[in-house]
Amino acid sequence: IAGITQAPTSQILAAGRRMTLRCTQDMRHNAMYWYRQDLGLGLRLIHYSNTAGTTGKGEVPDGYSVSRANTDDFPLTLASAVPSQTSVYFCASSIRARETQYFGPGTRLLVL
Amino acid sequence: GQNIDQPTEMTATEGAIVQINCTYQTSGFNGLFWYQQHAGEAPTFLSYNVLDGLEEKGRFSSFLSRSKGYSYLLLKELQMKDSASYLCAAMDSNYQLIWGAGTKLIIKP
Repeated sequence: IAGITQAPTSQILAAGRRMTLRCTQDMRHNAMYWYRQDLGLGLRLIHYSNTAGTTGKGEVPDGYSVSRANTDDFPLTLASAVPSQTSVYFCASSIRARETQYFGPGTRLLVL
Repeated sequence: GQNIDQPTEMTATEGAIVQINCTYQTSGFNGLFWYQQHAGEAPTFLSYNVLDGLEEKGRFSSFLSRSKGYSYLLLKELQMKDSASYLCAAMDSNYQLIWGAGTKLIIKP
């Protein structure tokens, strides 16, 4: 692994289903982030983690949950998907919270 | 509230120079970032400014005025591969990035 990977690349999901988006980094970065990107809007922060074992809510956390059991992994879970969660989801990481963020390739999610 | 403003779209000619402006309003300030995003891809880091002035990096330069809440990204000797969206983001007092909607730059031959 080099950098940040995300899985799946894309997904079509029925409304009401549970879904976990995976994010793994091998740079030993302490901070990790989940964003969603929608047409015409800036990236919006969903959840973040400044270090393993801690998480925080961003601008749009409702309907999403995260965990940070170790440094490398930061999964994002949609407990019961709704069509408004159709978006492109980006995971990012940085050495520390105040440093430059580097992005994974993204997951394109369509909720029907 | 916190806000980032940048033009939605700009058009420029191959070989020319273009300046993309960004104004920001945040709770506290810990720097201004510019990212490039090609269609269907992830944002990639271009530049970071925390002090007033110009930072030059090859064909790309970024300027910051903290007193005016203003930054610009200057792209010289434009190439077709520079066609992309350019995202401005300001870091607030909680070290969270506040993002603009992005400026789509169209390069014409």
